[in-house]
Amino acid sequence: DTGVSQDPRHKITKRGQNVTFRCDPISEHNRLYWYRQTLGQGPEFLTYFQNEAQLEKSRLLSDRFSAERPKGSFSTLEIQRTEQGDSAMYLCASAGTTYEQYFGPGTRLTVT
Amino acid sequence: AQRVTQPEKLLSVFKGAPVELKCNYSYSGSPELFWYVQYSRQRLQLLLRHISRESIKGFTADLNKGETSFHLKKPFAQEEDSAMYYCALDAGGTSYGKLTFGQGTILTVHP
Repeated sequence: DTGVSQDPRHKITKRGQNVTFRCDPISEHNRLYWYRQTLGQGPEFLTYFQNEAQLEKSRLLSDRFSAERPKGSFSTLEIQRTEQGDSAMYLCASAGTTYEQYFGPGTRLTVT
Repeated sequence: AQRVTQPEKLLSVFKGAPVELKCNYSYSGSPELFWYVQYSRQRLQLLLRHISRESIKGFTADLNKGETSFHLKKPFAQEEDSAMYYCALDAGGTSYGKLTFGQGTILTVHP
């Protein structure tokens, strides 16, 4: 197990298009988190899952954003009708029984 | 709502000098505090957490509830300490695991 992985690493899309990101957590971790990081800022919490249940969503997560974690394994984050303000690094993290969060490398989204 | 403030965006020191990265927080309850580090071209990783009271890579951090601070210190900085450092807070309770991060401090250690 090489840790948390995210795909793609980079995504360039045109405004108005839909994009989907994937996160594969460390296999035995039941908690999975999504964060967004814009330039010069620290990561901001978006949502998290315990197993397949989405337990909390930030107010940052507009109706255009949706996240899933079917079967409690990998997770996807979809952004519909992308806007330039969505350009950011999207980070995924997973945690097990110690609650220490292990981060993935991130997906950098650029909306043109 | 909780908030984490790192007042210094940039911090430069010379090798062997002491270094202190400041972190202040606002939260009415009893939070758990963390320091995360991101080295160049690497992913964000946990450096230390206050409940473990460990010293990692020579760094220590003490939670001061009176001053609501969690400053990160190292007595003798090394060039390999150059990185981005983030202070983070976990409010616990039903939001356990949801981290609130500061804006980060870029530490540069000069030879």
